[in-house]
Amino acid sequence: NAGVTQTPKFRVLKTGQSMTLLCAQDMNHEYMYWYRQDPGMGLRLIHYSVGEGTTAKGEVPDGYNVSRLKKQNFLLGLESAAPSQTSVYFCATSQGHWETQYFGPGTRLLVL
Amino acid sequence: DQQVKQNSPSLSVQEGRISILNCDYTNSMFDYFLWYKKYPAEGPTFLISISSIKDKNEDGRFTVFLNKSAKHLSLHIVPSQPGDSAVYFCAASARGTYKYIFGTGTRLKVLA
Repeated sequence: NAGVTQTPKFRVLKTGQSMTLLCAQDMNHEYMYWYRQDPGMGLRLIHYSVGEGTTAKGEVPDGYNVSRLKKQNFLLGLESAAPSQTSVYFCATSQGHWETQYFGPGTRLLVL
Repeated sequence: DQQVKQNSPSLSVQEGRISILNCDYTNSMFDYFLWYKKYPAEGPTFLISISSIKDKNEDGRFTVFLNKSAKHLSLHIVPSQPGDSAVYFCAASARGTYKYIFGTGTRLKVLA
């Protein structure tokens, strides 16, 4: 039982490159979330999903796309990375909106 | 506009004493509040929650107080232990929004 895992743990990109971050969960949770954490900013919601095949925008969605083709996976894509996307990205899952969110260990992304 | 504010970036407390972490919010529609603890290089972990129908919730050494009229909540840790040293985030949500808004965090250091 791995809980919530994130791949990769760390990545360096050049401006303009693309990449996909993968979040996988084995808890059969319906809700999944992508956050970014920046110094002095707390955690800000990028996109979220309330079930397989559904996605919705959070507070800071620009420059990111997501997909939830399978219940256990939530992918975060950067089509053309920018230095402003340098951050630590956290995935979280929950069984429902009023349920506890379980976070993954994070992905540290550096865009040069 | 920061809807959830943690105005103290850091707090130092002696072991065995009480730690009080504060959080203020501006959105009167928020009706569910949570506290998370985060160690370096790890994802946040859920600590305790409170809904707006209550003004206090206890779980062992941790107690959360909610003052709806002041739009203020606080987390009390008694007694504080060195292992409590971490960054603490408060988060708030409004029914039907599926989203949590996080504060910027308070770094607690418990001195042995």
